[in-house]
Amino acid sequence: NAGVTQTPKFQVLKTGQSMTLQCAQDMNHNSMYWYRQDPGMGLRLIYYSASEGTTDKGEVPNGYNVSRLNKREFSLRLESAAPSQTSVYFCASSPRISGPYGRNQPQHFGDGTRLSIL
Amino acid sequence: GEDVEQSLFLSVREGDSSVINCTYTDSSSTYLYWYKQEPGAGLQLLTYIFSNMDMKQDQRLTVLLNKKDKHLSLRIADTQTGDSAIYFCAESNDNDMRFGAGTRLTVKP
Repeated sequence: NAGVTQTPKFQVLKTGQSMTLQCAQDMNHNSMYWYRQDPGMGLRLIYYSASEGTTDKGEVPNGYNVSRLNKREFSLRLESAAPSQTSVYFCASSPRISGPYGRNQPQHFGDGTRLSIL
Repeated sequence: GEDVEQSLFLSVREGDSSVINCTYTDSSSTYLYWYKQEPGAGLQLLTYIFSNMDMKQDQRLTVLLNKKDKHLSLRIADTQTGDSAIYFCAESNDNDMRFGAGTRLTVKP
């Protein structure tokens, strides 16, 4: 049982390049999330998708776009990468059992994508 | 905005108990969580507690919640070298989940 799978695991980009981070979950979860993790700052929510067909901004959405392709897949796109976006990116998912967005449910995380932008 | 705080580092000797502390400010929290992150990996949910509980025990892990003081702790009994990791406290209400910055636990043999 794979859980949450993120690809790629590592990536180096030049400033201005674009790329898409992929995430897929096989737990039939309704809600999916993208976070970034920076030293000493914990996790900050970039975007989330409460259910298939919906996406919403989190705490730090600027410079990113997302697509909830289907129930399993939620991708994060950097259109024009900047050095400030160097970070570790985590995708997570949760079942939507209660609460308007299901964000209060325990979240299951992928192993992360380590992204460096030069 | 609401905040979750925890100390950044904790060092213990193998076999001792570890206590990782966390404070939060959201008075409408419904769930409180502890996640473990090992090097190069994602966050693994260790345990969580509903806000109307004050204690939860799961094998070597004991979670204590003082809702009045908005203080959460994770006690690891008989700490092993394999427990070395970063531990994240998180709290949520119906709309948001917030994470602390993580406590790096180092277990010395």
